[in-house]
Amino acid sequence: EDQVTQSPEALRLQEGESSSLNCSYTVSGLRGLFWYRQDPGKGPEFLFTLYSAGEEKEKERLKATLTKKESFLHITAPKPEDSATYLCAVQARGSARQLTFGSGTQLTVLP
Amino acid sequence: NAGVTQTPKFRILKIGQSMTLQCTQDMNHNYMYWYRQDPGMGLKLIYYSVGAGITDKGEVPNGYNVSRSTTEDFPLRLELAAPSQTSVYFCASSPGQGGTDTQYFGPGTRLTVL
Repeated sequence: EDQVTQSPEALRLQEGESSSLNCSYTVSGLRGLFWYRQDPGKGPEFLFTLYSAGEEKEKERLKATLTKKESFLHITAPKPEDSATYLCAVQARGSARQLTFGSGTQLTVLP
Repeated sequence: NAGVTQTPKFRILKIGQSMTLQCTQDMNHNYMYWYRQDPGMGLKLIYYSVGAGITDKGEVPNGYNVSRSTTEDFPLRLELAAPSQTSVYFCASSPGQGGTDTQYFGPGTRLTVL
């Protein structure tokens, strides 16, 4: 059974204070690992897909990395508008592209 | 493009009532999904479809039914609502075979069963 564990559950940062979110996973053959951002009352918004260990992707203040067991979402010099819940999900090979989600990290960036 | 649209945004049901959650996508995607999200939890897959006329169960299908008569629409049916079905429901779509794996989500339907 595919499993995704995210930590911490909640994180409070001061504006400009860099940090990392963790996503540990077990999957029967990884097809892809996905990061989404979810604002309150909204649907998840796609951020990144990582396909192989060692891969990195960046978007503004966010950088996602992948190893064989976990992924990190690094947030550099965050701003209050980065406050959201960040969801990690894995997609197994041979599936109908279903995603197995973690429970998310709720990030609050204080001005 | 509107992307993935869901109706209604909010609904309150009484125990035993039935309803259909509507989902439409205008991206010509082959794959569509229904997830539910409970407070503080990740999304759990209810049903999915890889094309018109083809549906299959996900992790938590009990109490729900789906149909896929067109590429665009993927309605989710609750036949006998129970308090355990109180949740936020998200529909998603992705291109499927030959396309990217990215799933695009609708805004969600918040359902309360009393």
